[in-house]
Amino acid sequence: DAGVTQSPTHLIKTRGQQVTLRCSPKSGHDTVSWYQQALGQGPQFIFQYYEEEERQRGNFPDRFSGHQFPNYSSELNVNALLLGDSALYLCASSTAESTDTQYFGPGTRLTVL
Amino acid sequence: AQKVTQAQTEISVVEKEDVTLDCVYETRDTTYYLFWYKQPPSGELVFLIRRNSFDEQNEISGRYSWNFQKSTSSFNFTITASQVVDSAVYFCALRRHSGNTPLVFGKGTRLSVIA
Repeated sequence: DAGVTQSPTHLIKTRGQQVTLRCSPKSGHDTVSWYQQALGQGPQFIFQYYEEEERQRGNFPDRFSGHQFPNYSSELNVNALLLGDSALYLCASSTAESTDTQYFGPGTRLTVL
Repeated sequence: AQKVTQAQTEISVVEKEDVTLDCVYETRDTTYYLFWYKQPPSGELVFLIRRNSFDEQNEISGRYSWNFQKSTSSFNFTITASQVVDSAVYFCALRRHSGNTPLVFGKGTRLSVIA
């Protein structure tokens, strides 16, 4: 049973560029949440996707957008990259049940130069 | 608003010592979930435990134990007879009981176990 997978593992971009990160949820999970973890900090919630729609959103600007596909996989897009966007981006999958635990992928480390 | 505080930024212990990681939370909700996750150097957050707010029983799993005290809004994590493989950053997190709501994390405690 595959867990949550993310790609790529590492990414280096320059300011102003755009980036797309990908996530495949754990088998049987239909909800994907994205978190940003800056160095030395705890993860911060970006947004959550369920049934191909953004259901909840944290305090992140519109430069951060996402998508969920019919197979439940998801993408996180960040436009007009800033140096401050450098972080580990974590994807978590779960079911839509309120009792469910979120399981995390290995993350994508984004460096913006 | 919800908030999780992990006052210990870094802890260093010698192998086989016991260590307790503190977690204090704030929430106006009467029902909620508390979690602990482990983040080894690889970066992946590994789920350790989920505790429902109306279940104050302490839990033990092997060398791990958790002490939940609603009266003091604390959910502390103890590792008994620590091992080098326990070295990681540990995060305490909180989320609302209703709906699949996002996790609110503390800043984490970096545990180093020295052989």
